[in-house]
Amino acid sequence: GAGVSQSPSNKVTEKGKDVELRCDPISGHTALYWYRQSLGQGLEFLIYFQGNSAPDKSGLPSDRFSAERTGGSVSTLTIQRTQQEDSAVYLCASSSLGGSSYNEQFFGPGTRLTVL
Amino acid sequence: AQRVTQPEKLLSVFKGAPVELKCNYSYSGSPELFWYVQYSRQRLQLLLRHISRESIKGFTADLNKGETSFHLKKPFAQEEDSAMYYCAPFYGNNRLAFGKGNQVVVIP
Repeated sequence: GAGVSQSPSNKVTEKGKDVELRCDPISGHTALYWYRQSLGQGLEFLIYFQGNSAPDKSGLPSDRFSAERTGGSVSTLTIQRTQQEDSAVYLCASSSLGGSSYNEQFFGPGTRLTVL
Repeated sequence: AQRVTQPEKLLSVFKGAPVELKCNYSYSGSPELFWYVQYSRQRLQLLLRHISRESIKGFTADLNKGETSFHLKKPFAQEEDSAMYYCAPFYGNNRLAFGKGNQVVVIP
């Protein structure tokens, strides 16, 4: 079946502009995760959604970052007033369940964001 | 704090030689341990998890709770093993805690 998809695959923007990154999880997966992959920094957790529960936003680096998940499926990560340090690959993952027990996370191809 | 240390950023090995990727994690309870791999132009994917005790693509990883280590090993590296490898404990708090990764280059 189809895996996690993300769009766009690449995004180049100017400093100060807002960007929206989209994630389509695997159908039926209730848990959705956003991570950021920066050069030399590995992968950092950003935010987690589980069903209709309040999201875990503890990884968001600043209030310029926000995310929503509509209808328990598609998610959008929004970065306002982008800065050069926001340049990274943004990865989305989904799993059949989430929370305190591990369920395999399946990753999308990522969106490469470049802030000029 | 949940820290994951993968000391070598880049590891170059000759084909047929053994490869070992080191991972040390901070002890906060009893995390589940995973290795993820990202081949060139492919998605990040699960390589193996300690609880299953499987050998995947010839790789094994031994969990040493006393040393809080989960090193990944393969006795004979192949060219197709060239990739980025991430150690990732799961502490039961909704996220994987990834290390910074090891770039492995297998020289033919």
